[in-house]
Amino acid sequence: QKEVEQNSGPLSVPEGAIASLNCTYSDRGSQSFFWYRQYSGKSPELIMSIYSNGDKEDGRFTAQLNKASQYVSLLIRDSQPSDSATYLCAVNAGSTLGRLYFGRGTQLTVWP
Amino acid sequence: ETGVTQTPRHLVMGMTNKKSLKCEQHLGHNAMYWYKQSAKKPLELMFVYSLEERVENNSVPSRFSPECPNSSHLFLHLHTLQPEDSALYLCASSRQQGPNYGYTFGSGTRLTVV
Repeated sequence: QKEVEQNSGPLSVPEGAIASLNCTYSDRGSQSFFWYRQYSGKSPELIMSIYSNGDKEDGRFTAQLNKASQYVSLLIRDSQPSDSATYLCAVNAGSTLGRLYFGRGTQLTVWP
Repeated sequence: ETGVTQTPRHLVMGMTNKKSLKCEQHLGHNAMYWYKQSAKKPLELMFVYSLEERVENNSVPSRFSPECPNSSHLFLHLHTLQPEDSALYLCASSRQQGPNYGYTFGSGTRLTVV
């Protein structure tokens, strides 16, 4: 069983703060890591992907990967109320081509 | 538009009805998926079609029947559903081989069983 664990939250931060979302995974063979954002009643939207150890930045979003610790995180700088959503961590296990395993998601609320 | 189109967007059906959900992808992907998402619950993988091979989640009731006539189209046939089947049904597609760019999801079908 390939596990992807996230804190379910809710995580609440004030506008302008940094929101930190965390995810751990069980399969050491995992190769690709993704963060999806899902607004209430909508479908998940891919916002970040990361494949190598270290940081990857895209605008206000930074994904961090540490394969040795089996840990991936998403930082959202200068959080905005429009960032309020559920964030899903997804991991592609190395032994199953194309298959993603999703965490339960972390609900983020950014208050003005 | 994400390149994955699902119809209908909303569906209300009685427990004795038969209906079908449709998904079409224009991304050149070769794997397609059906997910169920109930309120306050994580995504639940129902079916996978990759390279025209079907992989099932054995916990999915037989009242859900998938069909994948080609790599661009995916259907989910529904019959004699129960109220607890009310949920958001999501279709996704991906490239099974080569670099993995994750899934692209459709907008989903909001299903209500009455």
